[in-house]
Amino acid sequence: DQQVKQNSPSLSVQEGRISILNCDYTNSMFDYFLWYKKYPAEGPTFLISISSIKDKNEDGRFTVFLNKSAKHLSLHIVPSQPGDSAVYFCAASGGTSYGKLTFGQGTILTVHP
Amino acid sequence: GAGVSQSPSNKVTEKGKDVELRCDPISGHTALYWYRQRLGQGLEFLIYFQGNSAPDKSGLPSDRFSAERTGESVSTLTIQRTQQEDSAVYLCASSLRAGGPDEQFFGPGTRLTVL
Repeated sequence: DQQVKQNSPSLSVQEGRISILNCDYTNSMFDYFLWYKKYPAEGPTFLISISSIKDKNEDGRFTVFLNKSAKHLSLHIVPSQPGDSAVYFCAASGGTSYGKLTFGQGTILTVHP
Repeated sequence: GAGVSQSPSNKVTEKGKDVELRCDPISGHTALYWYRQRLGQGLEFLIYFQGNSAPDKSGLPSDRFSAERTGESVSTLTIQRTQQEDSAVYLCASSLRAGGPDEQFFGPGTRLTVL
């Protein structure tokens, strides 16, 4: 049962343009969402998070949008840079177990110079 | 170092052998987590510790898997009688506390290959 889904395995974007990564979830108990970035042979690094009491959170070039009614969140990267090329995972937690992050399958982002 | 460290970075073992994977969390972090990432898949939760106790072991795939944490610090994940399907990258993370929406900081992982 995939409770967090990233339906796009990969995304290719030109440098300077916007990258939009999408994530859907099914568990209505989730109330905290995070995006992680992962380079090969490294552990995931935290990018940005959002609580369910908000619908937008912004940090520099990164903005996360949350649509609770649609159980959908997205990560916008503007402008995209070649160094942003990595695997991006969305993750969710909440309900009875904040200790457990449920991850999507990841989206490979490639930013072309 | 200031980050989460894991050892070994790579482990190749034969089917049926036991392996131990180690995690050193960030100093002062009371919560510690183990995840597994199989090839081409997302991270799969295994177990987490609050202090030395494990409130949630729901992700451990079978009774061949066990984990312990001592001194509210280092943790060891043990896999007994390894199988080929155990091949994955095993990731450890820590956070200031569990039971709240805190960011989890990840180590670089241990790549386990079972031949």
